[in-house]
Amino acid sequence: NAGVTQTPKFQVLKTGQSMTLQCAQDMNHEYMSWYRQDPGMGLRLIHYSVGAGITDQGEVPNGYNVSRSTTEDFPLRLLSAAPSQTSVYFCASSRGRAPSGTNEKLFFGSGTQLSVL
Amino acid sequence: QKEVEQDPGPLSVPEGAIVSLNCTYSNSAFQYFMWYRQYSRKGPELLMYTYSSGNKEDGRFTAQVDKSSKYISLFIRDSQPSDSATYLCAMRGALYSGAGSYQLTFGKGTKLSVIP
Repeated sequence: NAGVTQTPKFQVLKTGQSMTLQCAQDMNHEYMSWYRQDPGMGLRLIHYSVGAGITDQGEVPNGYNVSRSTTEDFPLRLLSAAPSQTSVYFCASSRGRAPSGTNEKLFFGSGTQLSVL
Repeated sequence: QKEVEQDPGPLSVPEGAIVSLNCTYSNSAFQYFMWYRQYSRKGPELLMYTYSSGNKEDGRFTAQVDKSSKYISLFIRDSQPSDSATYLCAMRGALYSGAGSYQLTFGKGTKLSVIP
């Protein structure tokens, strides 16, 4: 199994540009989520989805959009990139409607390093 | 005050030492408690999981939850250089218990180095 696949691995943007970070999982997971990880701030939830057609905001949603048209895919769109969005972005998925322990553990992708100049 | 507090370290110990990592939290609705391990330039991976209060042991790792004190711990016995990583605590409440019940709240992570 490929698990959670994120693309691209690295990206450099100029301020004001838009782009989409791709995330796909092949485990038929209901729950998918996007986190950003910054030094000294830990992992912060941007948006999440509990199934196709259902999305909700996390802790830091401003400047990002998501959609969930299929079970497998959960793209993250940056509408107008800002230097404050420079970060490492992780996509994660789990069985069930919320992540927890062994049977509903969160599987993370390998991350996207994004720099906004 | 953040919901979950975790000392970021860094923590450096000699090989074979016992390591104690801790998190405190303020939300009494939290019931699911996890520890994730993250190696450099990788995504986090689930290491230990505990539901509600109590202890759980898996090999050299022991997770403890004290809900009365809102305090969770991860102990690593006979630490190895391969344990060098960032350890993140994570937790959430029961579904339908209120805002954020579908979300994991993470600590900032503690960076651990085990020196050979």
